[in-house]
Amino acid sequence: EAQVTQNPRYLITVTGKKLTVTCSQNMNHEYMSWYRQDPGLGLRQIYYSMNVEVTDKGDVPEGYKVSRKEKRNFPLILESPSPNQTSLYFCASSPSRVSYEQYFGPGTRLTVT
Amino acid sequence: GQNIDQPTEMTATEGAIVQINCTYQTSGFNGLFWYQQHAGEAPTFLSYNVLDGLEEKGRFSSFLSRSKGYSYLLLKELQMKDSASYLCAVRDDTGGFKTIFGAGTRLFVKA
Repeated sequence: EAQVTQNPRYLITVTGKKLTVTCSQNMNHEYMSWYRQDPGLGLRQIYYSMNVEVTDKGDVPEGYKVSRKEKRNFPLILESPSPNQTSLYFCASSPSRVSYEQYFGPGTRLTVT
Repeated sequence: GQNIDQPTEMTATEGAIVQINCTYQTSGFNGLFWYQQHAGEAPTFLSYNVLDGLEEKGRFSSFLSRSKGYSYLLLKELQMKDSASYLCAVRDDTGGFKTIFGAGTRLFVKA
């Protein structure tokens, strides 16, 4: 089944404890992206990647890192999480940057206390 | 800068037609998308417009006017399962290949 998977789906952590949220797609897509979704603000793009080893900042990259060592994986790293990073995170992929449909993962709900 | 505006909430009756508007301001416009998101779920793609005009897909249609920075999503023959949030998004290719989302419109369909 073609899909985007994220792990974990739920995470409660404490301020400053490094964490990684994994994202994997099995559709051989070139373009991958991370978003956070907060009430009243909608989806905001954190980072995106147009292909292996090619990443770029979205609108809200502060406090996050990403890597794209393999085409299928695009992990989101929070080196020192803070409470303002409490949010719902979505990973998405599309065949290329010019493709119009993005396929979203199921989401990761992160709480930082 | 970039800005996307859409109404926060709308209510409509089962079987009726509803139009959800979206206005945008962006310097590197390269397409407008509509996504549907049910509560607690991931967004799913509905439609894409890059040229002016109407795109029809079953009960859903989307319209774009690039000169006015305006789009709407039209939902016909509303069903209870259409109760969801509808997200307007714009692809902006200025200095990169970003996708900018509006805050979404929550649609409530009542019997």
